[in-house]
Amino acid sequence: GEDVEQSLFLSVREGDSSVINCTYTDSSSTYLYWYKQEPGAGLQLLTYIFSNMDMKQDQRLTVLLNKKDKHLSLRIADTQTGDSAIYFCAETFPSGNTPLVFGKGTRLSVIA
Amino acid sequence: DADVTQTPRNRITKTGKRIMLECSQTKGHDRMYWYRQDPGLGLRLIYYSFDVKDINKGEISDGYSVSRQAQAKFSLSLESAIPNQTALYFCATSARTYSYNEQFFGPGTRLTVL
Repeated sequence: GEDVEQSLFLSVREGDSSVINCTYTDSSSTYLYWYKQEPGAGLQLLTYIFSNMDMKQDQRLTVLLNKKDKHLSLRIADTQTGDSAIYFCAETFPSGNTPLVFGKGTRLSVIA
Repeated sequence: DADVTQTPRNRITKTGKRIMLECSQTKGHDRMYWYRQDPGLGLRLIYYSFDVKDINKGEISDGYSVSRQAQAKFSLSLESAIPNQTALYFCATSARTYSYNEQFFGPGTRLTVL
C-alpha cells in the first residue's frame, strides 16, 4: 500500500537548522520529493531525490534517504523566517502512471 | 503570467448550490489533477486525468465530478454543495514521463459552503 507519514508541526529559532522527517511504506518508490507551500499559495517543488541516491545537497537544503528504513528527511541550514511554510513529502512509482502520493505536510514555524 | 490558473480564487456559496471550479494551464502538459486541502489532512486527490479522454477517480471523488474540455482545461463541479466541502482546492499539472513526476500547482480556490 501507499502511505506517507509526517509530523504535523515543527518550530525552530532563526539561524538554527530544521529537520523535517517523512516515512513511506512502498519500497518501489523511484523518486521522492519535497514540496513547499507558502501562506496563501499553491505547492512548489523544493527538491527531489532519486531512489538510488542516499543524499542530495542544494545550497541550504540537504535531503537524506534511508531506503532500508524507508525514511526521508529534509534539513534546512540557517533557517530563516522566509522558510516558514508547510512542507510536504511525496513519492512516485516506477510506472509513472499513478499520481504522486503526498504526506499530510509539516508546518514549519521559524521564531525570530 | 501564471502557468496554472484557477478561477474563482474565492467563492462563498450555500448548501445545495451547484458550483464549478475551473483550471487552465499553458504548460502543454497532458496530465491534470484536482486536490482538496484541509487542515491536518494534507492534500487529498479528488480526480485526475492523464489525457483528454482519460478521467480517473481519486481518493475522495464522492460528491464531485470533473470535465476535461481540452488539454489545457480541467473543471471540477460540486453538483450539490454541502458544508463539509468547505476547503482549499488545488489544480495541478504534470508532463507525461516514465517516472519523474513533478507536479505544478495553481494558486488555489478557497471555497466556503454555508
